[in-house]
Amino acid sequence: SQTIHQWPATLVQPVGSPLSLECTVEGTSNPNLYWYRQAAGRGLQLLFYSVGIGQISSEVPQNLSASRPQDRQFILSSKKLLLSDSGFYLCAWSVNSRGADTQYFGPGTRLTVL
Amino acid sequence: GNSVTQMEGPVTLSEEAFLTINCTYTATGYPSLFWYVQYPGEGLQLLLKATKADDKGSNKGFEATYRKETTSFHLEKGSVQVSDSAVYFCALSKGGSEKLVFGKGTKLTVNP
Repeated sequence: SQTIHQWPATLVQPVGSPLSLECTVEGTSNPNLYWYRQAAGRGLQLLFYSVGIGQISSEVPQNLSASRPQDRQFILSSKKLLLSDSGFYLCAWSVNSRGADTQYFGPGTRLTVL
Repeated sequence: GNSVTQMEGPVTLSEEAFLTINCTYTATGYPSLFWYVQYPGEGLQLLLKATKADDKGSNKGFEATYRKETTSFHLEKGSVQVSDSAVYFCALSKGGSEKLVFGKGTKLTVNP
């Protein structure tokens, strides 16, 4: 069966510090991968998605970036965090197939920027 | 563009009450429709889905029917439990690498 991991689970960082969040998927090959952010009391915002190694699409211009160095690894980064980057970050995967549509989510990373 | 509108919460019910959370959508073509549930401090879990008109998705006592004529996918449960307290998200997808389009979520609290 497929599993998706995210770490760290929680993170408290000062403004201006760098960020690296990691997501890995097990039990499947060549998945589509997604990063979402959920701000407090709000819905989900798609940040990035990837259909293959090195292929990243950005949905929202901001100070965050994403990379996919390996098939089942997806990394969210920032060089300098802003207060507004606080939130709950969710990674998701789906089968890389024309007809596939279900996304499966990881446990999330709670980021607090102080 | 594609969009999902779901009833605003919070919704507070007593245990064993009937639950309905309304969800309507706007989309071209024939999207797949989903309900996800998020328990406190956790990620989203797929609750149920439907991929074509008149399909009924069901899981853990929850049901939702894909109604193309009313562009709706309302979530129902006949008898809620305290453990159903969570935030529920309605979503749609056109498939492939298309992103999920989410509603804003409805927080449900079930009291004993």
